[in-house]
Formats: sequence, C-alpha cells, structure tokens
Amino acid sequence: AQKVTQAQTEISVVEKEDVTLDCVYETRDTTYYLFWYKQPPSGELVFLIRRNSFDEQNEISGRYSWNFQKSTSSFNFTITASQVVDSAVYFCALSEAGRSQGNLIFGKGTKLSVKP
Amino acid sequence: GAVVSQHPSRVICKSGTSVKIECRSLDFQATTMFWYRQFPKQSLMLMATSNEGSKATYEQGVEKDKFLINHASLTLSTLTVTSAHPEDSSFYICSARDSRGTGELFFGEGSRLTVL
Repeated sequence: AQKVTQAQTEISVVEKEDVTLDCVYETRDTTYYLFWYKQPPSGELVFLIRRNSFDEQNEISGRYSWNFQKSTSSFNFTITASQVVDSAVYFCALSEAGRSQGNLIFGKGTKLSVKP
Repeated sequence: GAVVSQHPSRVICKSGTSVKIECRSLDFQATTMFWYRQFPKQSLMLMATSNEGSKATYEQGVEKDKFLINHASLTLSTLTVTSAHPEDSSFYICSARDSRGTGELFFGEGSRLTVL
C-alpha cells in the first residue's frame, strides 16, 4: 500500500534560519511521482515540485531545495534563509504513474511557523 | 499557466439542504478530475475520481449517494453534497489532470463548506 509519512507535525523557526521538512514514502510501484505543496492560511494548494521516481537529482529553486533518495524512500524539502511568508502547512504527496496519476496520497502535513 | 477554478470558494448552508461545488479547468481539457476533502488541521483525503462521461469512482467509506459527482464535459466536474449535515462541513478541493502530454495535475483553490 502507498503511504506518506511526515513525522514533523509542527516546526517553529526564527527568520533567516534554514529548515528541513522530512518526507518518507512507501510504495510498491517502480514508477511513481512525488510532490510538495504549500498550503497557506487561505487554504489553496500551491504546487512546489513534482519529481518522478527515475530522477534522483537534487533540485534547487531559489531558497527551496529538495533531496530525493530512493535508498531511504525520502524526499526532504529544505528552505534556506526562511522568511515569515514561508509560514504555511507543507504537504508531501505520492502518486502512481500512468492512469492513476493524479490520485495523490498526501502526508499529514508539517506546519511551519517562521517568526520574525 | 493552466488554472483550475472552483466555485463557490465559501458557502454556508442550512442542515438538510444540498450544495453544489463546481470545478472547472479553464484552459485545458481534463478527462479526469479528483475531489479531496480536508478537515481542519488535517490532511487531504481523496473522496472520488471523476471521469468525463462515466460514473465516478469513490474511495472506500465515501457515500456516493451523499456526494454526487457529475463530470459532464471535459472542463467541468461538479460535487453535490446532498442533505448536508454539520459533519459535512469541510474544505473541498478538486484537482484536474491535463489530458495532453504529461498529464500534469492542477488544483483548484478549494471550497469551504459550513453547514449550520
């Protein structure tokens, strides 16, 4: 069965600190996708990244970076020099490839609070 | 970029009434759309997969007679909460999969339902 675990329920940091949000997944599929979404207090889901299972290269986008390691089934997300606007709930999600793609299994989310 | 629009964004209704939520893909066709439900401070749970021109596929535990899904066109899926009760109060989010190419997934802004 597919499962996504975000062990950190809440994290609080001070502005400019770096913070890493953990995500561990379980799947029997060899082809799958991993996602990170940001959900600010307004509720909408903001897409951050999609990574397929064959691409283990780490990715950096501005202050955001992602570390995908199939050996440990982890897809961790790091925010460098955090800002107050980064405060939100962050969800890691997993989906199968092919026809089932889009049926996302979400983790429980990590609430990040960045204090000035 | 592609946009998925949900309407209404907020709705308050009396217990026993029915509420319809629309999910539209604005600049792409979506043969498949997904409906998620999110209780306060919890994760998103898939309710059903909406397929254009055919019956929706419901997840285990979701009452199909209570949550009616219609996907009558390639750009519109509707979720009707019938005979709503206070326990149906929740945040409902749809996603639409682009039928072209990579089948990229886009989320709507969400609809917050409050049943009094």
